[in-house]
Amino acid sequence: GAGVSQTPSNKVTEKGKYVELRCDPISGHTALYWYRQSLGQGPEFLIYFQGTGAADDSGLPNDRFFAVRPEGSVSTLKIQRTERGDSAVYLCASSSTSDTGELFFGEGSRLTVL
Amino acid sequence: KQEVTQIPAALSVPEGENLVLNCSFTDSAIYNLQWFRQDPGKGLTSLLLIQSSQREQTSGRLNASLDKSSGRSTLYIAASQPGDSATYLCAVNPFGNTDKLIFGTGTRLQVFP
Repeated sequence: GAGVSQTPSNKVTEKGKYVELRCDPISGHTALYWYRQSLGQGPEFLIYFQGTGAADDSGLPNDRFFAVRPEGSVSTLKIQRTERGDSAVYLCASSSTSDTGELFFGEGSRLTVL
Repeated sequence: KQEVTQIPAALSVPEGENLVLNCSFTDSAIYNLQWFRQDPGKGLTSLLLIQSSQREQTSGRLNASLDKSSGRSTLYIAASQPGDSATYLCAVNPFGNTDKLIFGTGTRLQVFP
């Protein structure tokens, strides 16, 4: 596609539920990133993929968070046993090279945990 | 630990003014610095990318400068327009961690007619 696509754009769930957020990067971009943005804050790094492998997952807050990119294109961010503190906008970005040039962001998935 | 600060947090100006947004970072060892624009409820749009070896980049009415040794960058917007109203974020790419960006909290700009 022309840009980074994220679905769903909005997700409301109850505490304790499981959530999946999807990112479809720009075609041909090998690097994919997940960031999380809380209200009034800048985005914070979660995880970075180069191809199919997670090259750096040091930003994942705990083991309830997991992400995959099985075919080196689409990625899914998975959150188990959601908590109210997980409420945020989850942003996906892609770039054409692993040593970052320009990042291209999607519009984000807004997650609200009630 | 690299920290990025942006001042002011919010700015409201009349249309036509030239304005400067400031970004400072604590560790001068960076790979590049990027300025983004974020409209309410939207993702980030890249405006300008300055490599560590560069001093400035220009795109239309926007000019970004980088003084790595002093840990500062400025985004200059000439002849501001209401359509420039948005949050402007700067982010540094730390040297040696080329996959992560560290963002400031942004400057919320409102340009009124």
